[in-house]
Amino acid sequence: AQSVAQPEDQVNVAEGNPLTVKCTYSVSGNPYLFWYVQYPNRGLQFLLKYITGDNLVKGSYGFEAEFNKSQTSFHLKKPSALVSDSALYFCAVRDAWGNDYKLSFGAGTTVTVRA
Amino acid sequence: DAGITQSPRYKITETGRQVTLMCHQTWSHSYMFWYRQDLGHGLRLIYYSAAADITDKGEVPDGYVVSRSKTENFPLTLESATRSQTSVYFCASSWTGSRNEQFFGPGTRLTVL
Repeated sequence: AQSVAQPEDQVNVAEGNPLTVKCTYSVSGNPYLFWYVQYPNRGLQFLLKYITGDNLVKGSYGFEAEFNKSQTSFHLKKPSALVSDSALYFCAVRDAWGNDYKLSFGAGTTVTVRA
Repeated sequence: DAGITQSPRYKITETGRQVTLMCHQTWSHSYMFWYRQDLGHGLRLIYYSAAADITDKGEVPDGYVVSRSKTENFPLTLESATRSQTSVYFCASSWTGSRNEQFFGPGTRLTVL
């Protein structure tokens, strides 16, 4: 079985401050991890993924995420948040040992960046 | 234009009616997926398809039917709509390979009265 938890429903930060969105996962084998962003009335957009290799993954729009195997976490980070980063963020996991391509998504975290 | 499209974008129907949501992708992706998005639940997989004529159930398949006669199309049918099926529905597709991300359509907002 595979699952994802996003422990914070909402994250509020001031523009220019660091942004962190938390994600923890559970899989039987090795994880493939993904972050997506959703703007109002839009579909999900892919931000970045961890498959293997370097634990720090860089993605679109200045976002990065750090894979931590011992803590089973994959937190999304941005050093300096923008008002335009306000959106709904989803973490997702797939078991690399699984025999299908299904993704399990977290419930989502709403990020609000105030000017 | 290339990409993944969904139609209609908005739909209001009544309990008991049949509704079909369309999904079309131009990338020739092998895999296609249907999700529903509800507050507090994130995205839940309804059905997915590995290729034309190959489909399988996801997490919440009850009340839904899918087909995939062509690689590029993956329609989702609600045979007899219920109020609990009021939701936002997203179609997604991906290349073969478990390392690949999914690409999402813009969604269909369905209201069942």
